[in-house]
Amino acid sequence: EADIYQTPRYLVIGTGKKITLECSQTMGHDKMYWYQQDPGMELHLIHYSYGVNSTEKGDLSSESTVSRIRTEHFPLTLESARPSHTSQYLCASSEGGFNEKLFFGSGTQLSVL
Amino acid sequence: GNSVTQMEGPVTLSEEAFLTINCTYTATGYPSLFWYVQYPGEGLQLLLKATKADDKGSNKGFEATYRKETTSFHLEKGSVQVSDSAVYFCALSGGILTGGGNKLTFGTGTQLKVEL
Repeated sequence: EADIYQTPRYLVIGTGKKITLECSQTMGHDKMYWYQQDPGMELHLIHYSYGVNSTEKGDLSSESTVSRIRTEHFPLTLESARPSHTSQYLCASSEGGFNEKLFFGSGTQLSVL
Repeated sequence: GNSVTQMEGPVTLSEEAFLTINCTYTATGYPSLFWYVQYPGEGLQLLLKATKADDKGSNKGFEATYRKETTSFHLEKGSVQVSDSAVYFCALSGGILTGGGNKLTFGTGTQLKVEL
C-alpha cells in the first residue's frame, strides 16, 4: 500500500564520511518526517516538513540536516558520520490533519564504523 | 509534554491465545491515539486508530478503545496467529489545543512472538 521509498536499505561506512539518506513518496503528501529508531526500538522524531521549503527540527536533537526542495523528496544528510549515528532511520509522510495516518518507508539501517 | 508508556516485551503466546498489550498516555488537549505494527524488515504501518474518547478502533481482529478516564488505549485480539508476530507501537498525536499536528509520539514498542 505504501508508496514511500527509502534508499539505501543498508549502509555501512567509516567515520567522517558524508552520507545522504534518500526518501521519496509518490502520494503527493505535503507532510514528511524522519524518525530515528534506536536498538531498543523506541522511535524519536528528528526532522519534519510541512511542505516545500519548510523544515523543522523534531523532538530529538540530531546532527543531521534535511531539505525539501520538491514535494516528493526529503533527503537526510550527515556531514561527518560518527559511530553514535548508528541507527535505523525511518521516513514517513502524511496527507495532513492531526489524526491522519503516517505512511512509513522500510527504513535505512546505518552502521558507522 | 506528551508521552506514551507500553508494557515491555517480548510477549510470547501460543497460537489462538488471547492478546493484550497495555498502553497508557499523558497528553494535554484531545489527542488521537494509534497502534502501528512493524513486521520484520519492514517499516511501520497503521493498524488502527481512535480520534476521541470511547471510540473503538479495529482492524484484522485487533481492537483498542480510547479510555479518557484511565488514559489508556490497550490493544487486544481474541485469537492470535503466527503471522501476528511483530513489534507493536502505541502512539498519540497532538490534540487540537496543543496544535501538535500529527507529529506522533511513540511508545517503546512491544515485541509479540506467536508460536505454534
